[in-house]
Amino acid sequence: DAKTTQPNSMESNEEEPVHLPCNHSTISGTDYIHWYRQLPSQGPEYVIHGLTSNVNNRMASLAIAEDRKSSTLILHRATLRDAAVYYCILLDNDMRFGAGTRLTVKP
Amino acid sequence: DTGVSQNPRHKITKRGQNVTFRCDPISEHNRLYWYRQTLGQGPEFLTYFQNEAQLEKSRLLSDRFSAERPKGSFSTLEIQRTEQGDSAMYLCASSSRPYEEAFFGQGTRLTVV
Repeated sequence: DAKTTQPNSMESNEEEPVHLPCNHSTISGTDYIHWYRQLPSQGPEYVIHGLTSNVNNRMASLAIAEDRKSSTLILHRATLRDAAVYYCILLDNDMRFGAGTRLTVKP
Repeated sequence: DTGVSQNPRHKITKRGQNVTFRCDPISEHNRLYWYRQTLGQGPEFLTYFQNEAQLEKSRLLSDRFSAERPKGSFSTLEIQRTEQGDSAMYLCASSSRPYEEAFFGQGTRLTVV
């Protein structure tokens, strides 16, 4: 019953930007948009989150559509260490993961 | 502070036995989540606590599964009468406030034989 839709997989070349999309058409006004990533054999790791405005941090940028029904996680320069499963989550009290997007980074 | 700690890291048990896992959240983190993850799948929500109060739990957390967080500090997840289908990674996460970033532990890998 995940409330977000993401592509199953994406590929990128090393050193190039990556745009990971997420659709959340049923988002409510109080839902925060969170992104996590999970490297092999590790627990999920927080990447970024936002409510309405675009956000930047040292790891990535989050672009949120004006109607908030979609968002995009931007990795400005992909590295091999960014290869992971990326999860887009709507956070309103509970925190439920979908299947995520498996990002492959090619050297 | 070393982050979220989960023990044990690995557990092998025979079918029908009970197991208990422990999660120590980051100090003063009020919110605590439990998840189950099988290979190739995203983490599956089990339950979460705000301090000592269990605010929500999935349908999975009934019957054989139970979770507690006495005094709002560490939490335990118990599985009674384990089945082979319970084999999975059990993850715990904590956050300081709702809507803030959550920090995950390394998980407890359960194998039921």
